[in-house]
Amino acid sequence: SQQGEEDPQALSIQEGENATMNCSYKTSINNLQWYRQNSGRGLVHLILIRSNEREKHSGRLRVTLDTSKKSSSLLITASRAADTASYFCATAGTSGSRLTFGEGTQLTVNP
Amino acid sequence: GAVVSQHPSWVICKSGTSVKIECRSLDFQATTMFWYRQFPKQSLMLMATSNEGSKATYEQGVEKDKFLINHASLTLSTLTVTSAHPEDSSFYICSARDRAGTNEKLFFGSGTQLSVL
Repeated sequence: SQQGEEDPQALSIQEGENATMNCSYKTSINNLQWYRQNSGRGLVHLILIRSNEREKHSGRLRVTLDTSKKSSSLLITASRAADTASYFCATAGTSGSRLTFGEGTQLTVNP
Repeated sequence: GAVVSQHPSWVICKSGTSVKIECRSLDFQATTMFWYRQFPKQSLMLMATSNEGSKATYEQGVEKDKFLINHASLTLSTLTVTSAHPEDSSFYICSARDRAGTNEKLFFGSGTQLSVL
């Protein structure tokens, strides 16, 4: 089974609008993280939310976590063209140190 | 912030040759580094976990003799693609955990695009 499934697969919005991406997972987690990847580059860590947290903010980012539904969402407010990238959620299990990445959402912000 | 340097950024090689990719943590010590493979518009597939001073742990389906990993120091891990073939063409990314940090988030290299002719 695929851990960290994301939707939508692709999202296209206008600059200034908000972008919401969702992530679902299947097993118990220690924490959930969101990463950003610009085309042809490595990933950059955005934010981490622990299993006992429900919401977290960082600048224009807002992350929620619902462990009962095994889902998380990433909201980017007042989007900018520079936010265009792929966004991945990644889950850290309770027993191991590895991260399992979702399929990613390709966000395009049109100027 | 923690920086992971990955070289080369891209490499083109002939079929049958070997290619080495380096992953260095520049300002921190990394006891654990991870190697991923990524196909266009897809997620990262973990290939192996590299621990300093010990043998790498490979994921199911990844040939250890094909993808040689060496983690000889706390700041350097290398991935060697041996006898590369066109099907090995892909984007390879490394990541590392800061030994001194909370050990939760990963720092990524900028990736290596490998094209095998």
